[in-house]
Amino acid sequence: GENVEQHPSTLSVQEGDSAVIKCTYSDSASNYFPWYKQELGKRPQLIIDIRSNVGEKKDQRIAVTLNKTAKHFSLHITETQPEDSAVYFCAASISGNQFYFGTGTSLTVIP
Amino acid sequence: SQTIHQWPATLVQPVGSPLSLECTVEGTSNPNLYWYRQAAGRGLQLLFYSVGIGQISSEVPQNLSASRPQDRQFILSSKKLLLSDSGFYLCAWSQSGKTQYFGPGTRLLVL
Repeated sequence: GENVEQHPSTLSVQEGDSAVIKCTYSDSASNYFPWYKQELGKRPQLIIDIRSNVGEKKDQRIAVTLNKTAKHFSLHITETQPEDSAVYFCAASISGNQFYFGTGTSLTVIP
Repeated sequence: SQTIHQWPATLVQPVGSPLSLECTVEGTSNPNLYWYRQAAGRGLQLLFYSVGIGQISSEVPQNLSASRPQDRQFILSSKKLLLSDSGFYLCAWSQSGKTQYFGPGTRLLVL
């Protein structure tokens, strides 16, 4: 089955700096890649996603890039703010049926 | 719009007692349904997923079971809880080919 690896497991950045989280996947059939943000004690919330026919997608300060050849995708957060502090999960899916999650990255934005 | 409910929100149970957690989805039909468990500070472990009534796939053999008696109802059960069953249980839904959305979760503490 699919195997998703996520790095780093923890990340601390100064407010205003950028944060990058990277994921790799193993199954070339995966074609949908969502990113979730989970605040302490809350449910994971979708923040951005990308499909395999697109190389990059942006939504304000958040962007995701996908390299299908290398089988990796990344989350980029620019101009980080304290409220960006949370655990971020990447996932890979084949046609949106079964989802395989990374192990999570705990992001801390230092004011 | 679609809504996903889980109950109870929190539960404290003694070791060896039974368990029943319920998840219902509103505003959609024939969704894919999922049960995940998240241990404290850890990632998302897929327990079960279902693509239709009575169709359950188990990802991790253990003392838990799942049932889908109705199209938009997903139940997680156990006959005898173990200490290791403590965690944050998340139900999720998706439509084939689309994003997965999580319920608010049930926090289970087994003592």
